[in-house]
Amino acid sequence: GAGVSQSPSNKVTEKGKDVELRCDPISGHTALYWYRQSLGQGLEFLIYFQGNSAPDKSGLPSDRFSAERTGGSVSTLTIQRTQQEDSAVYLCASSLGLAVAYNEQFFGPGTRLTVL
Amino acid sequence: TQLLEQSPQFLSIQEGENLTVYCNSSSVFSSLQWYRQEPGEGPVLLVTVVTGGEVKKLKRLTFQFGDARKDSSLHITAAQPGDTGLYLCAGKPRAGGTSYGKLTFGQGTILTVHP
Repeated sequence: GAGVSQSPSNKVTEKGKDVELRCDPISGHTALYWYRQSLGQGLEFLIYFQGNSAPDKSGLPSDRFSAERTGGSVSTLTIQRTQQEDSAVYLCASSLGLAVAYNEQFFGPGTRLTVL
Repeated sequence: TQLLEQSPQFLSIQEGENLTVYCNSSSVFSSLQWYRQEPGEGPVLLVTVVTGGEVKKLKRLTFQFGDARKDSSLHITAAQPGDTGLYLCAGKPRAGGTSYGKLTFGQGTILTVHP
């Protein structure tokens, strides 16, 4: 597709279960970003990738959160032993690169995660 | 840690009124972006400002970057119901270092324009 896609669009899980969220960036975009957004609020940075490398993981809330990117394309955000406070919309974005001239981030529609 | 304070958090106005949203920080950014987000969708970039003092206009929207590159404003003239949405500012750190790819977002301004 032409845009960033994310799956699933909605995920309801029970506390303590693991979840995997997937992001397919725009083809050719080297940079990929994960954010978390609570209802009507700003975006909380989680992690970004340049290629398959994640130079800055400082935004991951705890060691229950991890992310990987393979082949410079698809990325997966994994949350282990989910907690109710993990409930949020998880947004993925991609950009051509990191330099300002190429840094317009194109966002996917997000995955709404609900932890019961 | 870079923080962006965005205000006001909520804005409810009548069609035809003017409004300004502010984004302030104690940190210097290499650039600042403004996004608009509608329910159920991801944010969409409106503009990027790079140079201190820069002013950019997008139809009825005027964006300004502070001289010191620490703050920005979004001014909407003669607001329309179609302007309703969540407006977000986001700052990019200076080049170099592992945080270069990290965007810091403000808390957002929920704008409602009533017909």
